[in-house]
Amino acid sequence: AQSVSQHNHHVILSEAASLELGCNYSYGGTVNLFWYVQYPGQHLQLLLKYFSGDPLVKGIKGFEAEFIKSKFSFNLRKPSVQWSDTAEYFCAVSPTSGGSYIPTFGRGTSLIVHP
Amino acid sequence: SQTIHQWPATLVQPVGSPLSLECTVEGTSNPNLYWYRQAAGRGLQLLFYSVGIGQISSEVPQNLSASRPQDRQFILSSKKLLLSDSGFYLCAWSVPFSESNYGYTFGSGTRLTVV
Repeated sequence: AQSVSQHNHHVILSEAASLELGCNYSYGGTVNLFWYVQYPGQHLQLLLKYFSGDPLVKGIKGFEAEFIKSKFSFNLRKPSVQWSDTAEYFCAVSPTSGGSYIPTFGRGTSLIVHP
Repeated sequence: SQTIHQWPATLVQPVGSPLSLECTVEGTSNPNLYWYRQAAGRGLQLLFYSVGIGQISSEVPQNLSASRPQDRQFILSSKKLLLSDSGFYLCAWSVPFSESNYGYTFGSGTRLTVV
């Protein structure tokens, strides 16, 4: 079974700072990778996803993530955060074979951006 | 377009009372349906998933059950709630596993407090 590790549980930044949230997974086969975001009082929504092709994936609101297969990582980045990026961020990994495609989610990273 | 409805948004129930949370999806057919519980600092825990009517897979044995009486309806139930059942419950849907655009769409969640 796969597992997902998000190293940073709480991140506090000032506006305009750069952001990188770590996500590592363990699984022996090929995977689909996701980042979800949950803004305060809102439902979880997809930020970006990687299925195949270019390992640098661009999502909504200026976010991007890079899949580094050799490091089993899918870190989320944004060059300049805004106050409105305050949210909880979840990384998820889904195997593409083996019969179960159900994603496993990380514990989440709470991001607070100070204006 | 596809939409997912989950209700109620909040619920306060006494210990020992029954529970029924409902989730419906519109705009798609034969979706995979899921129930998750989200706990602070613990990410998303998959409770049940269903790939078709009457087909329920349980991931975590506990005081809850799920049913799928119709293609786009997924119900989370309990006969007697425990204090430990308090939490934030999320319904989600996805296209079937075999499709390349596989990914989740989440409902808005139900905050359950057992008192």
